[in-house]
Amino acid sequence: EPEVTQTPSHQVTQMGQEVILRCVPISNHLYFYWYRQILGQKVEFLVSFYNNEISEKSEIFDDQFSVERPDGSNFTLKIRSTKLEDSAMYFCASSEAWYTEAFFGQGTRLTVV
Amino acid sequence: GQQLNQSPQSMFIQEGEDVSMNCTSSSIFNTWLWYKQEPGEGPVLLIALYKAGELTSNGRLTAQFGITRKDSFLNISASIPSDVGIYFCARSGDGGTSYGKLTFGQGTILTVHP
Repeated sequence: EPEVTQTPSHQVTQMGQEVILRCVPISNHLYFYWYRQILGQKVEFLVSFYNNEISEKSEIFDDQFSVERPDGSNFTLKIRSTKLEDSAMYFCASSEAWYTEAFFGQGTRLTVV
Repeated sequence: GQQLNQSPQSMFIQEGEDVSMNCTSSSIFNTWLWYKQEPGEGPVLLIALYKAGELTSNGRLTAQFGITRKDSFLNISASIPSDVGIYFCARSGDGGTSYGKLTFGQGTILTVHP
């Protein structure tokens, strides 16, 4: 069964460092998303991406965040200068069309120390 | 922003018992979704509801889209230990925005004792 895969599963980084979280969406999907879940809290939408550009973003997705589809298979989330409060699970998701279900990856746990 | 109020926050039940949780909003929605999240995993869609009054089942799970379009409930019948997890209600993007843009409730933590 096709699935969204994310790497790494766990990333530890020093405050102020840049991190790149990687995702391989389901191959025939065209819409891509990043979500964040701070420990013990609900899952929060960060950004949606379609046709090589951001289609929507939340207020959480500020200038330190960026997304990219560098090739035909990967979808990345970059955090330029990490802060302690960026520590969270980051989930990638993809959907075939704008009106269809989004499938989530297993997440990357980011720990900023 | 639009908030979803989900209750209860947590439930501790015995195996075999039925479970009910619900979600409310002050705004009208066109879709209600119920997800389950197990430890170390991403959310997995359980049931999607698209019409007011719709009642949908998926095995032991039943969910309903409230007639006012402001609420939904999820029932799990005859719970088993593998039902353990966090259950989230969610609304998806309406009015032409992507359905993958989801707003989640706070979640209900379900613990099932054998």
